[in-house]
Amino acid sequence: LAKTTQPISMDSYEGQEVNITCSHNNIATNDYITWYQQFPSQGPRFIIQGYKTKVTNEVASLFIPADRKSSTLSLPRVSLSDTAVYYCLASGSARQLTFGSGTQLTVLP
Amino acid sequence: EAGVAQSPRYKIIEKRQSVAFWCNPISGHATLYWYQQILGQGPKLLIQFQNNGVVDDSQLPKDRFSAERLKGVDSTLKIQPAKLEDSAVYLCASSLVTGRGPYEQYFGPGTRLTVT
Repeated sequence: LAKTTQPISMDSYEGQEVNITCSHNNIATNDYITWYQQFPSQGPRFIIQGYKTKVTNEVASLFIPADRKSSTLSLPRVSLSDTAVYYCLASGSARQLTFGSGTQLTVLP
Repeated sequence: EAGVAQSPRYKIIEKRQSVAFWCNPISGHATLYWYQQILGQGPKLLIQFQNNGVVDDSQLPKDRFSAERLKGVDSTLKIQPAKLEDSAVYLCASSLVTGRGPYEQYFGPGTRLTVT
């Protein structure tokens, strides 16, 4: 299993850029890295997915170095509504789907 | 596009009773997942279906949990008999991509189960 390790919690202020790093030392060749966001009393919501280098969409960027043993989710100019738990997931065509404990991001005014 | 529907949203039962949860995935999504999320933890996959076949049920406690997806659309997860440690949120998700990834999963709101 491609186990992931993330910080338990992070604090930030509105308008700042937030970077959450995920470690996945035993990631497999076929594994993709996917990030989800979860608000209280809701199911997780897909944010972004990548395999290597950099991926950017309208809400976030994902940076994956060449060795793929870690990845960084970057949220530009966070707002109070970005307060949530963020999960990093490494999985692929033959791997069990495993969510870690996630990172609780708290955005302060 | 309608999202993943789940019912009920909340359920309180006594230990040793039975309970069933229902999930209707997004139309056209071949893959359906059931997760258990205990408070303070990430979701744990219980079972994954592709159409009406089981892809992965390695973490499903089969002595008390069962799930079916008879027509390849909606699905039911059952617990019989329930234990105190089954108290959790049960999440259903679906994805368009068949097989086991890469994929984007769409989650329902979940069913919060309390076993007393």
